[in-house]
This record gives sequence, C-alpha cells and structure tokens, in this order.
Amino acid sequence: GAGVSQSPSNKVTEKGKDVELRCDPISGHTALYWYRQSLGQGLEFLIYFQGNSAPDKSGLPSDRFSAERTGGSVSTLTIQRTQQEDSAVYLCASSLLSGNTGELFFGEGSRLTVL
Amino acid sequence: AQTVTQSQPEMSVQEAETVTLSCTYDTSESDYYLFWYKQPPSRQMILVIRQEAYKQQNATENRFSVNFQKAAKSFSLKISDSQLGDAAMYFCAYRSYSGYSTLTFGKGTMLLVSP
Repeated sequence: GAGVSQSPSNKVTEKGKDVELRCDPISGHTALYWYRQSLGQGLEFLIYFQGNSAPDKSGLPSDRFSAERTGGSVSTLTIQRTQQEDSAVYLCASSLLSGNTGELFFGEGSRLTVL
Repeated sequence: AQTVTQSQPEMSVQEAETVTLSCTYDTSESDYYLFWYKQPPSRQMILVIRQEAYKQQNATENRFSVNFQKAAKSFSLKISDSQLGDAAMYFCAYRSYSGYSTLTFGKGTMLLVSP
C-alpha cells in the first residue's frame, strides 16, 4: 500500500493474555519504529529497526514486550501477559535512511484495551 | 539525551484568527531536524512542517510557519487563518541529523478551534 498499515485497529483483551500487533511499513523504507501513546501522554519510543542492524530496544518498558521484523519489512510487536497499564495506542512509523529528510511516516495505530 | 517541552496542554482559537504553539528543546547537537506533527481524532500523525537546524530561514507551508530560534532552542508553530479542520493535537518533535536516530516528542498541545 501507499502508507504504513497497522492491524488490528482496535484490540480488547483480558489481563494476562498475549497480544500481537502488526505493522506493514511503506515499501522501500528501511527503518521502522514503534511508539506507545498512553492517554494524555506524548509518544513514548519503544523500539527501532534499521536495515539489517540489531534493533534499538532501549525503549521497551519490560521483558513482556518484544518485537521482530521479518525480511526487513513487516514487524510484529508482542506483549505477553498483558497488564491494564499496557492499555494505549501503539503507533508504528517508517522512514528512509540514506538521503532522507528526517520525516517519519505513521500508521493509524492499534488501540489496545486490557480489561 | 534530547528533551522536547510543550508548555501549553491546550490552546483555543477562533476561525480565521492566528494562534502560536510553543515548543522548546534541549540538545547538545548542532545538526538536527525539528518537526510539528498533527494528530486528528483518526490517530494518524501527519507532518505539518519541518525545519533543518542548519537553515536560518524559517520554514513555511501555506498557513503554517515556524519561528526557529536556534540559540534559544525554541521552535514555535504559527497557524494563520485558522480553520475548523486545524483542530487536533499538535506534537513538536526532534530528530538528530544522523539517519540512525528516532524522533523525540513533546507531550502535545490540544488545539481547539471555534466558529
């Protein structure tokens, strides 16, 4: 597609369940980012994939959070044993690296509600 | 680490009037990008305007312009001739000039536009 695609758009789950959120970046973008946006808060960086390099996981809040990027394209963010404080909108973004203008292109996010 | 501060949680403006949103940032770098993103209720972050730190001229995009004061580390957004469609959350963001970096966001300013 032309833009960053995220699924599901909304996810309601019970505390303790695992969830997977998917991001399909813009074709040709080598960098992919995950951010978390909690109610009334700004965007919190979670993880960053850049080409074939090791991802920058410095923003992951706990070891219940993990992400992978297969084939340099689609990424999945997994949250294990979800907690109510995990409720947030999870935004994915992608960008070019070489010759880029610094801009990140965002998807519409996945809203996660943990009951 | 870089930080971005938006001191106005909410601003109001009437249609056709002008409003200025404030942003300050802290960095030890000399080369970087600054952005204003808009987030409407659809959740998708949309780039409004971008400024490269090495450029002295303030960026302008139609009704949107910035006042970039590098020494003061200030980056305000001016919206002229405000329209109802401008109502949204606005985020100021910083990115290092290196391609291997993420965006650091402020907490956002909610802009309300009244007829």
